[in-house]
Amino acid sequence: GAGVSQSPSNKVTEKGKDVELRCDPISGHTALYWYRQSLGQGLEFLIYFQGNSAPDKSGLPSDRFSAERTGGSVSTLTIQRTQQEDSAVYLCASSQPGQGGMPQHFGDGTRLSIL
Amino acid sequence: AQTVTQSQPEMSVQEAETVTLSCTYDTSESDYYLFWYKQPPSRQMILVIRQEAYKQQNATENRFSVNFQKAAKSFSLKISDSQLGDAAMYFCAYKGPFGNEKLTFGTGTRLTIIP
Repeated sequence: GAGVSQSPSNKVTEKGKDVELRCDPISGHTALYWYRQSLGQGLEFLIYFQGNSAPDKSGLPSDRFSAERTGGSVSTLTIQRTQQEDSAVYLCASSQPGQGGMPQHFGDGTRLSIL
Repeated sequence: AQTVTQSQPEMSVQEAETVTLSCTYDTSESDYYLFWYKQPPSRQMILVIRQEAYKQQNATENRFSVNFQKAAKSFSLKISDSQLGDAAMYFCAYKGPFGNEKLTFGTGTRLTIIP
């Protein structure tokens, strides 16, 4: 596809349920990022994958959050036992390999609402 | 830790006029990258312009230009000949040197274009 694809576009779930958010990066992009955007806020870094290297998980807010990237392409962000404060837009981005501050290309995000 | 500050939550400008959005950042690094992203209501983050810290020349992309003041740690965005399609949230973002790949975002400036 031409851009980063995220699904679902919107997700409403009850508190305590688990959710999975999917990201399909741009073909050829080896780096993949997850960010969270709470209402009226900037983006908060969650996790970063680069090729086969160990992911940078330094932004994950709690052990309820996890992410994996299979085959170096599609990534899934999982939130277990969701809480109301998890309500936010979750944005995925990907970038080409390179050492020069390669720009990140973002998807449209998943709006997660916890009831 | 790096921080990015956007002190103007909202700005407005008459169509065809020029507007400048402010951004300051804090870092101890000498090599880094700065970005401006635009987020329309569609939620997708769109790259507007990118600046490498080692370059003294200010980046320009058509009607968009930056005023990068490295010593002052300031990175403002100037939009010339404002158009209705420029209305959006604008986020300033910082990326550290190679190996530190996450983006740190400011809280954004909502730009309104007055017809």
